[in-house]
Amino acid sequence: EAQVTQNPRYLITVTGKKLTVTCSQNMNHEYMSWYRQDPGLGLRQIYYSMNVEVTDKGDVPEGYKVSRKEKRNFPLILESPSPNQTSLYFCASSLSWPLSEQFFGPGTRLTVL
Amino acid sequence: QKEVEQDPGPLSVPEGAIVSLNCTYSNSAFQYFMWYRQYSRKGPELLMYTYSSGNKEDGRFTAQVDKSSKYISLFIRDSQPSDSATYLCAMNTGNQFYFGTGTSLTVIP
Repeated sequence: EAQVTQNPRYLITVTGKKLTVTCSQNMNHEYMSWYRQDPGLGLRQIYYSMNVEVTDKGDVPEGYKVSRKEKRNFPLILESPSPNQTSLYFCASSLSWPLSEQFFGPGTRLTVL
Repeated sequence: QKEVEQDPGPLSVPEGAIVSLNCTYSNSAFQYFMWYRQYSRKGPELLMYTYSSGNKEDGRFTAQVDKSSKYISLFIRDSQPSDSATYLCAMNTGNQFYFGTGTSLTVIP
């Protein structure tokens, strides 16, 4: 089944404890992206990657890192999480950009205490 | 000013009604315009996209873009309870995407 998977789906952590949210797609997509979704602010793009080893900042990259070593994986790294990073995170991928449909993962709900 | 503005609703309509959802934007560099639907506890899924001013129809859904007014709309005809979801408009310029905050729609049987 063609899909984008994210792990973990739910995570509660404490301020300053490094964490990684994994994202993987099995559709051989070139473009991958991370978003966070907050009430009243909607979906905001954190980072995106046009292909392997090429990444760039989205609208709200502060406090996040990404890497794209393989085509299928695009992990999101929070080196020192803070409470303002409590959010619902979505990974997405598309065959190309900009017109190709973005497929979204199921989301990761992160709480930073 | 936000790049994309969308009325959050909530919007509640009876089954069979015509629904109109709208977004305005400020960046004239936006090239492509999309509508996503998001069910509760799920990721967004693409409904429609377009890149030119005018109307695009797909079944019960019509997307409308007016670039001169920086205004886009999604019309849903003969709305069904299964259309109850949050609808997000989205736009992009180059490789970056910008989403509206979403409009919550409930269709009452």
